[in-house]
Amino acid sequence: GAGVSQSPRYKVAKRGQDVALRCDPISGHVSLFWYQQALGQGPEFLTYFQNEAQLDKSGLPSDRFFAERPEGSVSTLKIQRTQQEDSAVYLCASSRDRSYNQPQHFGDGTRLSIL
Amino acid sequence: AQKITQTQPGMFVQEKEAVTLDCTYDTSDPSYGLFWYKQPSSGEMIFLIYQGSYDQQNATEGRYSLNFQKARKSANLVISASQLGDSAMYFCAMREVSTGNQFYFGTGTSLTVIP
Repeated sequence: GAGVSQSPRYKVAKRGQDVALRCDPISGHVSLFWYQQALGQGPEFLTYFQNEAQLDKSGLPSDRFFAERPEGSVSTLKIQRTQQEDSAVYLCASSRDRSYNQPQHFGDGTRLSIL
Repeated sequence: AQKITQTQPGMFVQEKEAVTLDCTYDTSDPSYGLFWYKQPSSGEMIFLIYQGSYDQQNATEGRYSLNFQKARKSANLVISASQLGDSAMYFCAMREVSTGNQFYFGTGTSLTVIP
C-alpha cells in the first residue's frame, strides 16, 4: 500500500501476557519511529530506527518494551508481561530520512487495552 | 520545560469561518522544523503543513496556513473557510536538527466545526 500500515488495529490482552504490534512503513523510507499516545495526549516518542539499526530507544518506558526491524522494513514492537498502564494507542511513523524538514507519515495505530 | 505548548484544549468555529490554533515552542537549536498534524476520531495522524526555521515566508497548503513568528517562537495554524470535516484533534510538533530522531508533540487542540 501507499501508506504506513499497522496491525492489529485493536488488541485486548490480559495483564501479564506478551503482545506484538506490527508496522509496515512506506516503501523506501529509511527512518521508522514508534510512539505511544495516551488518551487525550499527544504522541510520546518510544524508539527510532534508521534502516535496521535502532539508533535511539530512550523513550522506551521499561525493559519490558522491545522493538526490532531486522531487515530494515517491517518493524515489530513487543511488550512483555503487559501491565494496565501499557494501555494506549501505539503509533508507527516513517519518513524518507532523518532530515529535520521531513514530515513523518503515520499509520492508523494499534489501540492496546490491557485488562 | 515543554518543547511544544498548545494552550487551547478545545475550539469551536462556525462553518465557512476561519480559525486560528495556537502553538508556541521552545528550542535553542537554530535549525528546526515545525509541523501540524490532524487526527480525526479514526486515529490516523495526517500531515498538514511544514515550516522550516529558516523559511522567510509563511507556509501555505490549500486552506491551511502557518503564522510563523520566530521571535515569539510561535507557529499558529490558520484554517480558512472551515468545513465540517475539519472537526478533529490538531497537534503541533517540532523536530530539531540536534535531536532529529523524534518529533515533540503538543497536547493538541480539539476543533469542532458547527454547521
